[in-house]
Amino acid sequence: DSGVTQTPKHLITATGQRVTLRCSPRSGDLSVYWYQQSLDQGLQFLIQYYNGEERAKGNILERFSAQQFPDLHSELNLSSLELGDSALYFCASSAVTGSVSGNTIYFGEGSWLTVV
Amino acid sequence: GDSVTQMEGPVTLSEEAFLTINCTYTATGYPSLFWYVQYPGEGLQLLLKATKADDKGSNKGFEATYRKETTSFHLEKGSVQVSDSAVYFCALSDKSASKIIFGSGTRLSIRP
Repeated sequence: DSGVTQTPKHLITATGQRVTLRCSPRSGDLSVYWYQQSLDQGLQFLIQYYNGEERAKGNILERFSAQQFPDLHSELNLSSLELGDSALYFCASSAVTGSVSGNTIYFGEGSWLTVV
Repeated sequence: GDSVTQMEGPVTLSEEAFLTINCTYTATGYPSLFWYVQYPGEGLQLLLKATKADDKGSNKGFEATYRKETTSFHLEKGSVQVSDSAVYFCALSDKSASKIIFGSGTRLSIRP
């Protein structure tokens, strides 16, 4: 158990709909990351938040957005869903950034999204 | 930009065989290096890590040494078990850990 909690574990929804994925980081971790894992694209970094602020952005579509709340949990919002958005979405967390010793990032078990 | 290249799978071995999964990286500065493992139906788990040159990460019989001169972080295990069947990802992050970059993953299957 990594200590990172994601809900829901599985979600099936129709094209055009909107869903919200939720992530609770490990206790004390300030950074949250979102990744998308699909069969054809592998593991793609989407976005990172640190203590409530956006820190880094990867290959995140404009239809997707995220935020990190004061209690440090994060939500990934996916809208106008398309069939190709079907994937496993991972949340991960790490401790304070900027550490010279490097940071380990711990992953949740993921949220399976199926768009039909 | 930073990138990770790992050997393509699938890799199929017999139980008790020696395992090597190659991983090389391209990065500016001195990244931290990781191996993650994903068992069927599960999320990614950190297997081992190394944060500076010549460091050796080890866990569950797996080892990998951070080789700056060859920009490599090959994963090895002396005697694999059926339970090691999984997908293995090599990854790197810079010191600020603004993101972690993964290789494409190597699927490992172990025959009894």
